[in-house]
Amino acid sequence: EDKVVQSPLSLVVHEGDTVTLNCSYEVTNFRSLLWYKQEKKAPTFLFMLTSSGIEKKSGRLSSILDKKELSSILNITATQTGDSAIYLCAVGAGGTSYGKLTFGQGTILTVHP
Amino acid sequence: SQTIHQWPATLVQPVGSPLSLECTVEGTSNPNLYWYRQAAGRGLQLLFYSVGIGQISSEVPQNLSASRPQDRQFILSSKKLLLSDSGFYLCAWTITDKAFFGQGTRLTVV
Repeated sequence: EDKVVQSPLSLVVHEGDTVTLNCSYEVTNFRSLLWYKQEKKAPTFLFMLTSSGIEKKSGRLSSILDKKELSSILNITATQTGDSAIYLCAVGAGGTSYGKLTFGQGTILTVHP
Repeated sequence: SQTIHQWPATLVQPVGSPLSLECTVEGTSNPNLYWYRQAAGRGLQLLFYSVGIGQISSEVPQNLSASRPQDRQFILSSKKLLLSDSGFYLCAWTITDKAFFGQGTRLTVV
């Protein structure tokens, strides 16, 4: 059974801090790892990492995939209160699981002013 | 551009009552469609997915069922709700592995 584990489950920081969120996975026929941000309703897409694209960056957010360690990190630098959200990691697998994502439990990030 | 609509946004239902949540996608044809449930603001659990009209795969045996009567319509149903069916339900469609979500339905069973 495919499995995705995120850590920490929750994190409280102050504005300006840098945070690192972790995601590890055990899946058959790994194809991609995705990060989502969920504030109140629908999760919004942040990054997708694959064997051909193991590092992505957008503004203060960046993510790296370590295929050897079966893990990924999401870094947020100079955090702002608007970064407060649940961050979800998901893994896509190939074969008959095409298009299906297995999600981790999420990390609840709270950024205080 | 593609959009996904999901309704209702919130729902309070008594135990034993039926359920019908609807999701439609615009701007694409033959999408892969998914129903997820999220409990207590945590990770998403895949309930059902569909790769075409009338084709439904269930991931978790439970009190719920799904149907896809049209190419871009996906329905989640129950004949008799249980307290444990409470949660946040999300419909999604995918391009390769990238999933795009509806705004969700917060269901409270009382």
